[in-house]
Amino acid sequence: TAGITQAPTSQILAAGRSMTLRCTQDMRHNAMYWYRQDLGLGLRLIHYSNTAGTTGKGEVPDGYSVSRANTDDFPLTLASAVPSQTSVYFCASSEFEGFSSDTQYFGPGTRLTVL
Amino acid sequence: KNQVEQSPQSLIILEGKNCTLQCNYTVSPFSNLRWYKQDTGRGPVSLTIMTFSENTKSNGRYTATLDADTKQSSLHITASQLSDSASYICVVSSGGYNKLIFGAGTRLAVHP
Repeated sequence: TAGITQAPTSQILAAGRSMTLRCTQDMRHNAMYWYRQDLGLGLRLIHYSNTAGTTGKGEVPDGYSVSRANTDDFPLTLASAVPSQTSVYFCASSEFEGFSSDTQYFGPGTRLTVL
Repeated sequence: KNQVEQSPQSLIILEGKNCTLQCNYTVSPFSNLRWYKQDTGRGPVSLTIMTFSENTKSNGRYTATLDADTKQSSLHITASQLSDSASYICVVSSGGYNKLIFGAGTRLAVHP
């Protein structure tokens, strides 16, 4: 079982360009999440989805959008990248939302540099 | 403001030694506290999770403690191994997964 896969592994992007970070899970988990991790800071939630067809905003949603057309995929789109979006992005999933005692599984991350 | 603070920021120990990492939080309401291990270049992996009524939980050589009165937690690593070199992240939940507060982590280096 692969768990959670993310693509690309890393990317250098020119400011103003758009990009979609891909995330796929094969565990049939209901809930999925996108976080960013910056040096010296804890992970911060960007967007989440409790189940296919629904999404919600996290702590730092500005400049990002998500969709959840099916259970397995949860892409994150940057419509017009800015240098402050340089970060490592992690996708995660959990079997159920609302039960915060449920284990959360993380993907390997995408390192994005915006120049 | 909900916050999770970890100390020390970084730590170097010799293989075979024990160490204790600290986590102080000001999150309310409190639902649970978990510790994650994050290897370099990888995503975090859950080590333990504790609810309000639990004050200790072990996972192999990792033992987490929780004092809900003082809002402090610690992660004790026994007989450290080179593979323990990683960042350890304390996370406090005040509700669902959209209410997780992550600490910045403690970077542990175990040297031979």
